[in-house]
Amino acid sequence: GQNIDQPTEMTATEGAIVQINCTYQTSGFNGLFWYQQHAGEAPTFLSYNVLDGLEEKGRFSSFLSRSKGYSYLLLKELQMKDSASYLCAVTRGGGGNKLTFGTGTQLKVEL
Amino acid sequence: GAVVSQHPSWVICKSGTSVKIECRSLDFQATTMFWYRQFPKQSLMLMATSNEGSKATYEQGVEKDKFLINHASLTLSTLTVTSAHPEDSSFYICSARGTGRTTEAFFGQGTRLTVV
Repeated sequence: GQNIDQPTEMTATEGAIVQINCTYQTSGFNGLFWYQQHAGEAPTFLSYNVLDGLEEKGRFSSFLSRSKGYSYLLLKELQMKDSASYLCAVTRGGGGNKLTFGTGTQLKVEL
Repeated sequence: GAVVSQHPSWVICKSGTSVKIECRSLDFQATTMFWYRQFPKQSLMLMATSNEGSKATYEQGVEKDKFLINHASLTLSTLTVTSAHPEDSSFYICSARGTGRTTEAFFGQGTRLTVV
């Protein structure tokens, strides 16, 4: 089976940096996605990691360690609009690239 | 990125009736489409994977006779919730992956189903 864990909630201050962690246990791991989801809306793609290391894309960066089954999403210069749920999802080889989602982390950005 | 259109965005139906939700890939051919269900404050749960021209593969615990999936063309998949009950009320989201696209799957806008 698969097990994907994220913190349920986080709170941070506008302008600050926040790191959202995701740990996973899965066989045949292929890659890991991060998605952002605002309430009542569909998820939007943020990043995709296959190899170990840090991928930077503007204010958002994502890190992956395959050996540790660990990833994090780093959000810099937080803005109020970043308040949303952040979903970690893994894909497995041979699974038709279907995504298995973690529990999601609800981030609240405050003034 | 590619566009996936899901319709309707919300629907209210009476208990015992059936509801059809459409998922269309607008600017690419989707060989594989995925259907998810999301309850309030919970993550997305994969219901089934549909491949064009073949039967859908359902996840464990999902009733295939209740949630009918048809992927008749490379741009359209439909999910029909048959004999809907209040406990079927949820947010249903589709995603599509095209030919040659080995990584990213694009999501539709989601459908909020309320069964009364």
